[in-house]
Amino acid sequence: EPEVTQTPSHQVTQMGQEVILRCVPISNHLYFYWYRQILGQKVEFLVSFYNNEISEKSEIFDDQFSVERPDGSNFTLKIRSTKLEDSAMYFCASSSKRGLYNEQFFGPGTRLTVL
Amino acid sequence: AQSVTQLGSHVSVSEGALVLLRCNYSSSVPPYLFWYVQYPNQGLQLLLKYTTGATLVKGINGFEAEFKKSETSFHLTKPSAHMSDAAEYFCAVAGNQFYFGTGTSLTVIP
Repeated sequence: EPEVTQTPSHQVTQMGQEVILRCVPISNHLYFYWYRQILGQKVEFLVSFYNNEISEKSEIFDDQFSVERPDGSNFTLKIRSTKLEDSAMYFCASSSKRGLYNEQFFGPGTRLTVL
Repeated sequence: AQSVTQLGSHVSVSEGALVLLRCNYSSSVPPYLFWYVQYPNQGLQLLLKYTTGATLVKGINGFEAEFKKSETSFHLTKPSAHMSDAAEYFCAVAGNQFYFGTGTSLTVIP
């Protein structure tokens, strides 16, 4: 069964460093998303991406964040200069259809720890 | 604006007992509502969703949820809990974004 994969499963970095979180969406999906979950808090929407551009982004997704689909399979989230408060679980998701009422398929997440 | 409140961050039930996980939503537009489950070290998996039509929706693994507009609720139920149901459950509402609740951790006691 097709699934969304994410690497690494756990990333530890120093404050101020750049990190890139990688996701491989399901192969025929066209819509891609990033979410994050700070420990003990809600899963929060970060950004949606379609046709090589951002469709929607939340207020969390500031200039420190960027997303890219560098090739036909990967979808990446970059944090330019990490802060302590960026420590969270980051989930990638993809869907085959437009519209938030359609199912999004989630990856297992990358746990980012900023020291 | 949309938001979701899940009452009870931890719920424990005995195996074979009724499972009831509560979700209330706030939405300025007709809501699309979802329940996702997360097993340890796995991603979020869709259990069921309500978009339009029948207000009682059935999902995978014997779960169902009823959309009650008057109560702004979308509670998740299962008549008989199984050990394999132990997981984290998230309610979500979709407006222009997906808004998740804080999650409810379900423990099933043998």
